[in-house]
Amino acid sequence: SQTIHQWPATLVQPVGSPLSLECTVEGTSNPNLYWYRQAAGRGLQLLFYSVGIGQISSEVPQNLSASRPQDRQFILSSKKLLLSDSGFYLCAWSRGDGPEAFFGQGTRLTVV
Amino acid sequence: GIQVEQSPPDLILQEGANSTLRCNFSDSVNNLQWFHQNPWGQLINLFYIPSGTKQNGRLSATTVATERYSLLYISSSQTTDSGVYFCAVEPSTGGFKTIFGAGTRLFVKA
Repeated sequence: SQTIHQWPATLVQPVGSPLSLECTVEGTSNPNLYWYRQAAGRGLQLLFYSVGIGQISSEVPQNLSASRPQDRQFILSSKKLLLSDSGFYLCAWSRGDGPEAFFGQGTRLTVV
Repeated sequence: GIQVEQSPPDLILQEGANSTLRCNFSDSVNNLQWFHQNPWGQLINLFYIPSGTKQNGRLSATTVATERYSLLYISSSQTTDSGVYFCAVEPSTGGFKTIFGAGTRLFVKA
C-alpha cells in the first residue's frame, strides 16, 4: 500500500533562517505531488504541485520554493523565513492517472 | 479560477443529531473529495465522489455535477465527528490541481 511521510511534525524557526521540509511517498511511482499551507483557522492553499521530476508549478508568489529531486521526494524550502510563513504545511500525493489526493501528517511551522 | 464555497462555516450539534454540509463550486470539475481534518491536523479521506451518491456508515455524500454542488450528510453525530470538513475539487481545466473550500467547522456536544 502507499504511504506518505512528512517531517518534521513541528518546527520553530527564527525569522531570517532557512527552511527545508521533506515529503516522501512510498508504494507508488510517478505520483503527482503537492504542497499546501493552512493558516490558523482557515482552509488549505495550494502552494506548489509537481507532475514529474524537476517539474514544479507555483500557484502563488511567495517566499518559498519547491524542488523534486527524485520521483517520490518533494521538498519545500526557503532561504530566509518571514513571520508570515508560519502555518501548517501539508504534503499530498495523487496517482498520475487518478484523481484522489492523500495527505501527510503535516508540519506545524512557527516563525519567531 | 474556480471558486469552492462551503456552508455553513460553523456548526454546533448535540450528540445524536443529523446534519448536512454543502459544497458549491463555480465551474465544472473532474473530481470531488470530502475530507475530515481531526484536531491533530490530519486530513482523512471521507469520499471520492465526482458524481452520484456514496455511503460509509453514518456518513453519506451526494454530488450533482451538472448543478455544481455536493452534500455531505452526517447522521447520529458523535463527539468524535468534531473537526473541520473540507470539500476539494479538481477543476476540469485546472490540470492536476486540487482546490479546497474554506471548510465547515463542526463541534458536537456530548
